[in-house]
Amino acid sequence: GIQVEQSPPDLILQEGANSTLRCNFSDSVNNLQWFHQNPWGQLINLFYIPSGTKQNGRLSATTVATERYSLLYISSSQTTDSGVYFCAVPISNFGNEKLTFGTGTRLTIIP
Amino acid sequence: DSGVTQTPKHLITATGQRVTLRCSPRSGDLSVYWYQQSLDQGLQFLIQYYNGEERAKGNILERFSAQQFPDLHSELNLSSLELGDSALYFCASSVLGQGNYEQYFGPGTRLTVT
Repeated sequence: GIQVEQSPPDLILQEGANSTLRCNFSDSVNNLQWFHQNPWGQLINLFYIPSGTKQNGRLSATTVATERYSLLYISSSQTTDSGVYFCAVPISNFGNEKLTFGTGTRLTIIP
Repeated sequence: DSGVTQTPKHLITATGQRVTLRCSPRSGDLSVYWYQQSLDQGLQFLIQYYNGEERAKGNILERFSAQQFPDLHSELNLSSLELGDSALYFCASSVLGQGNYEQYFGPGTRLTVT
């Protein structure tokens, strides 16, 4: 099956810093989602981004489907950005859209 | 708030017991997915239902079963519970069963088996 790898696994930054998280996938995909899992365990949708670039406030994401990677940018980090960031890709096979998740990047923002 | 609701939020039970987790999808969504997040296995797909019918199965144990009711809510039944079943169980929903549609996740049910 498709492999999804995220890097770096851990990231510790000072408040106000910028960061780039990477997601590589081993096969062609039709879309990709980014999630933030906060310290309480909730999975929050960040982006649904099959290709191109999207922005939402301090966050933006870029997916280059032909090169099989996606990047999540976080600017001017705040402590509330702490948590684990996952990318996930669906496996579409006659209607099976289960998501395969990467192993995540744990982001810690220090005040 | 994603619009997907899950109950209960927390569940503590003993080995050998049976529990039922409940999920209500976002209004208008026909597809429901169940995922398990454990410390050693990460986030894994369990099962998908679309408009009441089972659509796909992942790494779901035989002790686990699910169904989707006519009002589209879904229940995940876990029986003969073992310590290793302790995990966060998520439900997600999307608009349709085919095509590429965004999945929205509920807040999860944290199951602790003692």
